[in-house]
Amino acid sequence: QVQLVQSGAEVKKPGASVKVSCKASGYTFTSYDINWVRQATGQGLEWMGWMNPNSGNTGYAQKFQGRVTMTRNTSISTAYMELSSLRSEDTAVYYCARGPHTAMRYWGQGTLVTVSS
Amino acid sequence: QSALTQPPSASGSPGQSVTISCTGTSSDVGGYNYVSWYQQHPGKAPKLMIYEVSKRPSGVPDRFSGSKSGNTASLTVSGLQAEDEADYYCSSYAGSNNLGVFGTGTKVTVL
Repeated sequence: QVQLVQSGAEVKKPGASVKVSCKASGYTFTSYDINWVRQATGQGLEWMGWMNPNSGNTGYAQKFQGRVTMTRNTSISTAYMELSSLRSEDTAVYYCARGPHTAMRYWGQGTLVTVSS
Repeated sequence: QSALTQPPSASGSPGQSVTISCTGTSSDVGGYNYVSWYQQHPGKAPKLMIYEVSKRPSGVPDRFSGSKSGNTASLTVSGLQAEDEADYYCSSYAGSNNLGVFGTGTKVTVL
């Protein structure tokens, strides 16, 4: 069965970077985009961007351009999302989801990133 | 990419129907037949309920249906059940480098 398993919770200081991983299993990793979506506590879903694991091509929401980097390691079927210059407003649960982003059927369990001094 | 507009809340009694709207622009909802809907229960990951405006993934009850007219998409839940109480989010393709955008979310309450 398709599974996306994310790395554990992180606590970071303002200005630092965080890198969240998403390990895929149960399907051919390079056949589907991986998307990243975040949700601050009590707030709505926010789409951050997509990555094609086959080509490495990416597309980022304008809000995150210059601060987010999505990469992958195909040998271990794992996608990564790195967010830099963290601020308190980046405190949220970060989800990976198998794409395309127009039909994200499989989701990771979410990773809580807390930004606090 | 501005968030799509949804009503904050909607409600209905068991067995009734509820319809949620999702309003965008001609650059997203109105320009493409790539509107999807997600259900999210507290503390859980979202679940895909509708994609490409009106298609249901396998396993999603046919009580859930989607439609679109112009720049507004809609999700209808018929025969409301207690387990349908959740937050619902629409999402749309937003063009230019395969970008996406979510709606503001609607909390559905089963009275």
